[in-house]
Amino acid sequence: EAGVAQSPRYKIIEKRQSVAFWCNPISGHATLYWYQQILGQGPKLLIQFQNNGVVDDSQLPKDRFSAERLKGVDSTLKIQPAKLEDSAVYLCASSLILAGVRNEQFFGPGTRLTVL
Amino acid sequence: DAKTTQPNSMESNEEEPVHLPCNHSTISGTDYIHWYRQLPSQGPEYVIHGLTSNVNNRMASLAIAEDRKSSTLILHRATLRDAAVYYCILRENSGGSNYKLTFGKGTLLTVNP
Repeated sequence: EAGVAQSPRYKIIEKRQSVAFWCNPISGHATLYWYQQILGQGPKLLIQFQNNGVVDDSQLPKDRFSAERLKGVDSTLKIQPAKLEDSAVYLCASSLILAGVRNEQFFGPGTRLTVL
Repeated sequence: DAKTTQPNSMESNEEEPVHLPCNHSTISGTDYIHWYRQLPSQGPEYVIHGLTSNVNNRMASLAIAEDRKSSTLILHRATLRDAAVYYCILRENSGGSNYKLTFGKGTLLTVNP
């Protein structure tokens, strides 16, 4: 079974530039998550989708971050414009949504963003 | 915000058991306790979860206190591959049948050869 795919793996940009990350979840997983992980900290949930609808985006800085999952499969996360403090690893995860099961989240390898 | 407390770091020797503690004194009756680990330069991966009873799987065991205010992840024989950050998380309902994980800083486990 293929895992969660993310691209690019690394990205270096200058502040005020724009950047986009792509995620392809595990086939059949209706729930998709984007996390931000700053060095030395645990992952922080930015946004959670169920199919193509947003379940939770309470921690997404909406003035500069946006995310979409138009067909309920792939997703993109965009930052525009980037700030120095956006330097982090951006992780995508997916899971089934069957109630009563463990709802294990499967994580991709992440995209390491460096903002100069 | 994370509702669990873990030591920042722990050290173990290869092939010895490791007990990773976690305190979650504000746990509610429906919160599941999940453990994930993150190997260097990788995304987190699921280890084990439980509600009230102790749990075993091929990776680890989870011992849950009777009052559920603490739990311990047990690696029976640590290997060098087990060196990672281990996160203890209370799974929260985010609406309907959706759940979310709120990660803390976790415990950095070092395994010595």
